[in-house]
Amino acid sequence: NAGVTQTPKFQVLKTGQSMTLQCAQDMNHNSMYWYRQDPGMGLRLIYYSASEGTTDKGEVPNGYNVSRLNKREFSLRLESAAPSQTSVYFCASRMGQGGYEQYFGPGTRLTVT
Amino acid sequence: AQSVTQLGSHVSVSEGALVLLRCNYSSSVPPYLFWYVQYPNQGLQLLLKYTTGATLVKGINGFEAEFKKSETSFHPTKPSAHMSDAAEYFCAVSSSYYGNNRLAFGKGNQVVVIP
Repeated sequence: NAGVTQTPKFQVLKTGQSMTLQCAQDMNHNSMYWYRQDPGMGLRLIYYSASEGTTDKGEVPNGYNVSRLNKREFSLRLESAAPSQTSVYFCASRMGQGGYEQYFGPGTRLTVT
Repeated sequence: AQSVTQLGSHVSVSEGALVLLRCNYSSSVPPYLFWYVQYPNQGLQLLLKYTTGATLVKGINGFEAEFKKSETSFHPTKPSAHMSDAAEYFCAVSSSYYGNNRLAFGKGNQVVVIP
């Protein structure tokens, strides 16, 4: 089991460029999440997908879009990158509601210049 | 709304001394509580969790924590710090308020172990 995988690991973009961060899980989990981590801010939820076919906004959705491609894959798109989107992005998955924990990927370090 | 508070962004502890992390939560309904550990340049992994049942829970790496409803707290401890405990630790809460689908994270504690 690879768990949660993310690509790419590192990325540098210029302001205004677009890109898609990919995430996949092989644990047959229903829910998937995208977070950003900034120093002193903890993890902030960007978007999540409670189940295949549904997506919902989190705390900081502006400037991002997501696609739940199938049960395994959940991608995050930056349409027009801004320096404020420089961050470390984590994808996570969870079996279901309640007391189930989230499993995290290794992260993508994104720099926007 | 649900939230967690972690006091002190940095926690310094001497090798061999007690490690104590603090998390207080705010939730209008029974919470599920989680602690995660993040080593440098890695993702988060579960340290321990409280869902239902026994209030004293054991986690990985020798940590344990007690859920105290009256104090709205869930503080992990480890009797003797090792150098390998140097990491960032996050508390998170989930509840039926959000349909149990979301976690609210604290801002984290950076643990420094002094030789």
